[in-house]
Amino acid sequence: EAQVTQNPRYLITVTGKKLTVTCSQNMNHEYMSWYRQDPGLGLRQIYYSMNVEVTDKGDVPEGYKVSRKEKRNFPLILESPSPNQTSLYFCASSLGRRGELFFGEGSRLTVL
Amino acid sequence: GDSVTQMEGPVTLSEEAFLTINCTYTATGYPSLFWYVQYPGEGLQLLLKATKADDKGSNKGFEATYRKETTSFHLEKGSVQVSDSAVYFCALSGSGGTSYGKLTFGQGTILTVHP
Repeated sequence: EAQVTQNPRYLITVTGKKLTVTCSQNMNHEYMSWYRQDPGLGLRQIYYSMNVEVTDKGDVPEGYKVSRKEKRNFPLILESPSPNQTSLYFCASSLGRRGELFFGEGSRLTVL
Repeated sequence: GDSVTQMEGPVTLSEEAFLTINCTYTATGYPSLFWYVQYPGEGLQLLLKATKADDKGSNKGFEATYRKETTSFHLEKGSVQVSDSAVYFCALSGSGGTSYGKLTFGQGTILTVHP
């Protein structure tokens, strides 16, 4: 089954404690990206990757890092989380630049 | 830059009522337009799309027509069901050079359908 898998689905952490949200896709997609969803703001892109070892900032990259060492994986790293990063995070992948995005089920992060 | 504006929600309807969710956009060039749906506790799923002017996307009884002259992509359904209760997002994929795998989303419209 074609899917994008994120882990963890739910996480409560404290300010400053580094965490990583993993994302993996099994569709051999070149493009992967991370979004955060906040009430009234829709989804905003954090980072994207066009292929292995090629990443770039989206609209709200501050406080986040990413890496793309393998085509299927695109982890999101919060080096020092802060309460304003409390949000619902989605990983997505697509075959082409303007193709349909396939989303993971989301990771709800709370930073205390 | 690109932007998408959706009608304010939430929208509450009775079963079998007609649904319209308005969506307008601002973009340069010729964007592709999408409607995504998010059911409770799930990720977003593509509902329908249109890639050029006057195209009509349709799926599961929902329809939307790409209107370049009014920069709109309104979502409609003739008879909603309780199972249509979800959050609906209008989105565009720009034709600009930096639009790699990126969608620009509206703020989302919560739809609740009562029996």
